[in-house]
Amino acid sequence: GQQVMQIPQYQHVQEGEDFTTYCNSSTTLSNIQWYKQRPGGHPVFLIQLVKSGEVKKQKRLTFQFGEAKKNSSLHITATQTTDVGTYFCAGSQGNLIFGKGTKLSVKP
Amino acid sequence: DAGITQSPRHKVTETGTPVTLRCHQTENHRYMYWYRQDPGHGLRLIHYSYGVKDTDKGEVSDGYSVSRSKTEDFLLTLESATSSQTSVYFCAILPAGLAGLTDTQYFGPGTRLTVL
Repeated sequence: GQQVMQIPQYQHVQEGEDFTTYCNSSTTLSNIQWYKQRPGGHPVFLIQLVKSGEVKKQKRLTFQFGEAKKNSSLHITATQTTDVGTYFCAGSQGNLIFGKGTKLSVKP
Repeated sequence: DAGITQSPRHKVTETGTPVTLRCHQTENHRYMYWYRQDPGHGLRLIHYSYGVKDTDKGEVSDGYSVSRSKTEDFLLTLESATSSQTSVYFCAILPAGLAGLTDTQYFGPGTRLTVL
């Protein structure tokens, strides 16, 4: 079945450093979505990418969708302690298939 | 949070007992989903519903059943709970009006279930 792989599983950074998480699908996706889950919280929708090669920005967050619509990345510039949490990608082919997430910790 | 509530928020039960988790929404969303979240596995779909009395299985449906007799309530039942069903359970909805345009989902606060 369809799989969505996400790496790394964990990332520890010093505040101010950049952070990137990568997502790869075994099949072409109709769209990809990113969610953030704070410790003890629930997943919260961040953004959806639909077009091949699409790039979207939200303040310090940059999201990319690959040309083949099989991979995506989330890059955070100059991390802050408020960025702590787990970031999930979710690929769409009917229902959403979630990656296992990247847990980000930020040391002040 | 799209008007989604889950109950109970925490539950501890014993192996072999039946357990029912409730997801309640107030905004008439047609699509509702149940996921479980476990360390190292991310979010996995258990069952989903696309209308009253219309449900289908997800990736990890074994040991679970669901019912949707009203638009606002989606129930997840563990007929005979096992320790492997210890998990955090999230309900999610697909906002009404967006179905067919996007499959962005909005999640409830979750239920932490422990099966001893």
